[in-house]
Amino acid sequence: EPEVTQTPSHQVTQMGQEVILRCVPISNHLYFYWYRQILGQKVEFLVSFYNNEISEKSEIFDDQFSVERPDGSNFTLKIRSTKLEDSAMYFCASKQGYTEAFFGQGTRLTVV
Amino acid sequence: AQKVTQAQTEISVVEKEDVTLDCVYETRDTTYYLFWYKQPPSGELVFLIRRNSFDEQNEISGRYSWNFQKSTSSFNFTITASQVVDSAVYFCALSVTDSWGKFQFGAGTQVVVTP
Repeated sequence: EPEVTQTPSHQVTQMGQEVILRCVPISNHLYFYWYRQILGQKVEFLVSFYNNEISEKSEIFDDQFSVERPDGSNFTLKIRSTKLEDSAMYFCASKQGYTEAFFGQGTRLTVV
Repeated sequence: AQKVTQAQTEISVVEKEDVTLDCVYETRDTTYYLFWYKQPPSGELVFLIRRNSFDEQNEISGRYSWNFQKSTSSFNFTITASQVVDSAVYFCALSVTDSWGKFQFGAGTQVVVTP
């Protein structure tokens, strides 16, 4: 069964460092997303990506964040200068159209 | 704006009891989709069900059943004869067609099933 794959599963980084979280969406999907879940809290929308550009972003997704689909298969989230409050589980998701979104297993980011 | 409310923070039951999770949503859109996801202790999000706003049929899948009522803007989820493996956080989510499909999640309900 096709699935969304995220790497790494866990990343520890020092405050101020740049991190790149990687995702391989399901191959025939058209819409891509990043969500964030701070420990014990709800899942929050960060950004959606369609047709090689950002279609919508939340207020959380400030200038420190960027997304890219560099090669038609990978979908990355970059945080330029991490802060302690960026520590969270980050989920990548993809979907075809008006269907359910399929989520990756998540990357736990710990900023120390 | 869209909003999803899951008023129950945690529900504890003994195995074999039924448990119902409440979900109330708000949207001005006439076309929208409702979802339930399960998040087990391992952390991933597992899709359980999708419903569109024009389909108010209730659904049963094994021990799971869903009750969608547009009149009360609710999409409740019942686990019948709960098992320890049902212990997880369950999220209700809403997606509207004009927002690029982003999901608005509820706060989640932690279900704890003890033997």
